[in-house]
Amino acid sequence: GENVEQHPSTLSVQEGDSAVIKCTYSDSASNYFPWYKQELGKGPQLIIDIRSNVGEKKDQRIAVTLNKTAKHFSLHITETQPEDSAVYFCAASILGNTGTASKLTFGTGTRLQVTL
Amino acid sequence: GAVVSQHPSWVICKSGTSVKIECRSLDFQATTMFWYRQFPKQSLMLMATSNEGSKATYEQGVEKDKFLINHASLTLSTLTVTSAHPEDSSFYICSARDSLAGAKNIQYFGAGTRLSVL
Repeated sequence: GENVEQHPSTLSVQEGDSAVIKCTYSDSASNYFPWYKQELGKGPQLIIDIRSNVGEKKDQRIAVTLNKTAKHFSLHITETQPEDSAVYFCAASILGNTGTASKLTFGTGTRLQVTL
Repeated sequence: GAVVSQHPSWVICKSGTSVKIECRSLDFQATTMFWYRQFPKQSLMLMATSNEGSKATYEQGVEKDKFLINHASLTLSTLTVTSAHPEDSSFYICSARDSLAGAKNIQYFGAGTRLSVL
């Protein structure tokens, strides 16, 4: 089955700096990679996702890059703000052509702390 | 965006009692819902996949008779923790996949239920 590794487990940056979180996956068939943000005591919220037919996707201060050959993908947050402090999870799954999808396999999470 | 409502958000129960958690998709239909369990400072562990109108598919090691799942409609799935014990204390999170956007595999998550068994 799929195995997703995520690094680092904790990350502390100063406000305004950039933060990068990296994930690797094992199943070359995986083609859908979402990122979730989880605040304390709450459920995960989808912040950005990428499919294997593109190498990069950006949404304002958040961007995700994908290297299919190396089987790794990364989350980039620029101009970090205190409200970006949360736990971030990467995930991987397989989307079928007929709309079927395998279950999401999550990384172990990264606790991001943005300090003033 | 799509909203998944999960209730209750927090429940305390005595050992041996049963607890039901509800998961509703408020503005979309979900043929597939998922139940996760999360221990402190750990990742989400999938417990089971719930398909509307059929039996749930449980992950290896998850007791189906202890964690009863019902998905009777396109907008509601329930998880019942039967004969709860202190080791069942955890954070339970549901998610729902938008049926109309199934090809996109977007899963929306509820806010979670913190279960404490005394």
